[in-house]
Amino acid sequence: EVQVVESGGGLVQPGGSLRLSCVASGFPFSAYAMNWVRQAPGNGLEWVSAISGSGGTTLYADSVKGRFTVSRDNSKNTLYLQMNSLRAEDTAVYYCAKKQANWNHNFDFWGQGTLVIVSS
Amino acid sequence: QSALTQPASVSGSPGQSITISCTGTSSDVGGYNFVSWYQQHPGKAPKLMIYDVSNRPSGVSNRFSGSKSGNTASLTISGLQAEDEADYYCSSYTSSNTLLFGGGTKLTVL
Repeated sequence: EVQVVESGGGLVQPGGSLRLSCVASGFPFSAYAMNWVRQAPGNGLEWVSAISGSGGTTLYADSVKGRFTVSRDNSKNTLYLQMNSLRAEDTAVYYCAKKQANWNHNFDFWGQGTLVIVSS
Repeated sequence: QSALTQPASVSGSPGQSITISCTGTSSDVGGYNFVSWYQQHPGKAPKLMIYDVSNRPSGVSNRFSGSKSGNTASLTISGLQAEDEADYYCSSYTSSNTLLFGGGTKLTVL
């Protein structure tokens, strides 16, 4: 059974940093690109970042470019999102999502999300 | 980039059909057959319902169908059921090699 479980969310002050983790199981982790998608309270979904199966290619939304860094450790089946210079508008539930296939652009498995609150 | 445009809400009675539109540009929806639709119940993670414009993942009811014409994609739900009441989001690959979501549509089953 495919599972992805996020952790690492919490309350952080503006300008602070936080690292999210996502542990995956039930599929060959290194064979699939992974993504982060966030959802601000009461708002819609926003794509944040993507990383290829090997970790060699990373992509970011303009809203987080230069502040967030996505990485993965395939030996630990774990995806990370390092978030620096956090702003109030980064407050959201952050979802880890598995890409369905490397040749398309949709997500077939999502975690339950981890809540990040940026506030003083 | 601005979010893809979806109606804020739609409603229908049990047994009826409804359609949710998703409008973008030639740089996203119109330029690629990589439109997906997700269903999200309150407090839950999104669930993939349609991918690559019109394909259904295994286990998704055939009451859900997708299509595209020009820069607008559509999700149709036939034979509405109470359990279909949820938020629905479209997404599209873009020419910037990013992914864009719609603003979401709240479906109410009357």
